[in-house]
Amino acid sequence: QKEVEQDPGPLSVPEGAIVSLNCTYSNSAFQYFMWYRQYSRKGPELLMYTYSSGNKEDGRFTAQVDKSSKYISLFIRDSQPSDSATYLCAMSYSGTYKYIFGTGTRLKVLA
Amino acid sequence: EPEVTQTPSHQVTQMGQEVILRCVPISNHLYFYWYRQILGQKVEFLVSFYNNEISEKSEIFDDQFSVERPDGSNFTLKIRSTKLEDSAMYFCASTPDSWEQYFGPGTRLTVT
Repeated sequence: QKEVEQDPGPLSVPEGAIVSLNCTYSNSAFQYFMWYRQYSRKGPELLMYTYSSGNKEDGRFTAQVDKSSKYISLFIRDSQPSDSATYLCAMSYSGTYKYIFGTGTRLKVLA
Repeated sequence: EPEVTQTPSHQVTQMGQEVILRCVPISNHLYFYWYRQILGQKVEFLVSFYNNEISEKSEIFDDQFSVERPDGSNFTLKIRSTKLEDSAMYFCASTPDSWEQYFGPGTRLTVT
């Protein structure tokens, strides 16, 4: 089983839809959970960062962590064509500096 | 807003040549990282650097790789003798603490 799994997509939604992006993981030691947005041939851009379980909201973005299910989600409300990108989840745990990334989900928001 | 910068944006080199990829982290950050992303694959951790020394490295980061902070602003990744399989995007990242890593735009390395 891969340490971090993410559906590669592509996921196509109409403009204004609510988007749900997900990652599952196998290592119960993960405590730090990040979501990045990556446009084609660009660097990952940090969107959300959460520690342990719970929800965090920032504008149109909500990150959720369910440690009991080893499942994290990113919700995008009122999606825009400019949200079209690849969304990467990344995780880490105490005692290490490295992030473990998922493969990314490609999102297309259609105008 | 401060950001991580990387040069060059694209580097083409021949197999066996040495390359140096350069990064300028965000100025008040203390931890520095290199990651790579082979085309179509996931972002992979290479090395972390803190207080002028390597704090952690992956199995990818073998003796062909080295990192240096030659002055107060630059952070470099050197590959001594490049192989075809080193072709990838190389990302530098920095953070004021050990979390919330901010990535640069990347250097695309092509080894021919």
